[in-house]
Amino acid sequence: GENVEQHPSTLSVQEGDSAVIKCTYSDSASNYFPWYKQELGKGPQLIIDIRSNVGEKKDQRIAVTLNKTAKHFSLHITETQPEDSAVYFCAASKGFQKLVFGTGTRLLVSP
Amino acid sequence: KAGVTQTPRYLIKTRGQQVTLSCSPISGHRSVSWYQQTPGQGLQFLFEYFSETQRNKGNFPGRFSGRQFSNSRSEMNVSTLELGDSALYLCASSLDRGTQETQYFGPGTRLLVL
Repeated sequence: GENVEQHPSTLSVQEGDSAVIKCTYSDSASNYFPWYKQELGKGPQLIIDIRSNVGEKKDQRIAVTLNKTAKHFSLHITETQPEDSAVYFCAASKGFQKLVFGTGTRLLVSP
Repeated sequence: KAGVTQTPRYLIKTRGQQVTLSCSPISGHRSVSWYQQTPGQGLQFLFEYFSETQRNKGNFPGRFSGRQFSNSRSEMNVSTLELGDSALYLCASSLDRGTQETQYFGPGTRLLVL
């Protein structure tokens, strides 16, 4: 079955710096790649997603890139702010609403 | 539009008991998925329901079951609880228009098994 690896497990940056989180997936049939942000005591919140027919997608300070050949996708957050501190999860799916999640990255943005 | 709601938010049970968790999807969403989140195993897919039918299932024992009602609300049940069932149980809903749709998560039900 699908396996998603996520790195790094923790990431500390200074406010205003950029943060990059990387994921790799194993099943070439996967075609949907969302990123979720989870704050303490809350459920995961979708921040951006990308489908396999697109190589890059951007939404304000957040961007996601997808390399289908290498089976890699990455989350880029620019101009980080303290409120970006949370756990971020990548996921992959090949349909039927079944998401396979990475292990999460704890992002800490220091003022 | 109201988000995904889950009840109860917290539960404490003892080993051997059973538990039922409830999920109300976003209005108009017909697909409901359930996930288990633990520090050791992360987020794992339990099952997905669409039009009152279980359409997809993860690798969990038969003690974990669910159902969906005609109004798309869903329940999941865990029988003969074990200590390892302590987790955050998350429900997610999506429109499902025939392709992989965005899933929106609820706040979860935190289950503690003693």
